[in-house]
Amino acid sequence: DAGVIQSPRHEVTEMGQEVTLRCKPISGHDYLFWYRQTMMRGLELLIYFNNNVPIDDSGMPEDRFSAKMPNASFSTLKIQPSEPRDSAVYFCASSSVLKATYYGYTFGSGTRLTVV
Amino acid sequence: AQTVTQSQPEMSVQEAETVTLSCTYDTSESDYYLFWYKQPPSRQMILVIRQEAYKQQNATENRFSVNFQKAAKSFSLKISDSQLGDAAMYFCAYRSASRISNFGNEKLTFGTGTRLTIIP
Repeated sequence: DAGVIQSPRHEVTEMGQEVTLRCKPISGHDYLFWYRQTMMRGLELLIYFNNNVPIDDSGMPEDRFSAKMPNASFSTLKIQPSEPRDSAVYFCASSSVLKATYYGYTFGSGTRLTVV
Repeated sequence: AQTVTQSQPEMSVQEAETVTLSCTYDTSESDYYLFWYKQPPSRQMILVIRQEAYKQQNATENRFSVNFQKAAKSFSLKISDSQLGDAAMYFCAYRSASRISNFGNEKLTFGTGTRLTIIP
């Protein structure tokens, strides 16, 4: 099992540019989460999906953020246009209804986004 | 909404000694799960230990154990025989176990973390 795979690991972009973060969850997991980590706010849940359907997007900061999950093996988080305050580490995590009870969630290695 | 509080932003311990990290939470639910995650400098989030609220017995994983006090809503992590590799940020997290609905229960709520330093 390759774990949750995120790309890119680092992203530096200029303010106003579009940024797309990618995530491949663990095969067989039916939940996918996007979290953001900053020094000021800690770990925040942005959005999560169940069976590719968005369940709760109340954590998405504003309309500049959007997330999709076109199939069970791929999700994207897009920021358009990006701003310096979006600089953070973005984590993707996946779980299954059964496994979450015993193993918690499996996180990817995160994408460190820097907007200059 | 549930909240998780870690009141110790930083802790340090001498190598081979024991350290306890504190976590309290606020919930009106009776059935839930609690977790401790470790985040080393590599930033990977690693599950250390988990506890089901319905179990009275404290969870143990090798050198890691918890002191779960349900009435006090306290969930502390004890690390015995501290090693240099234990240096990391440690996050306490809460997850509802409500079975009323299949949705809305899967998200983790995290505390703000405790940075643990191991002194050689």
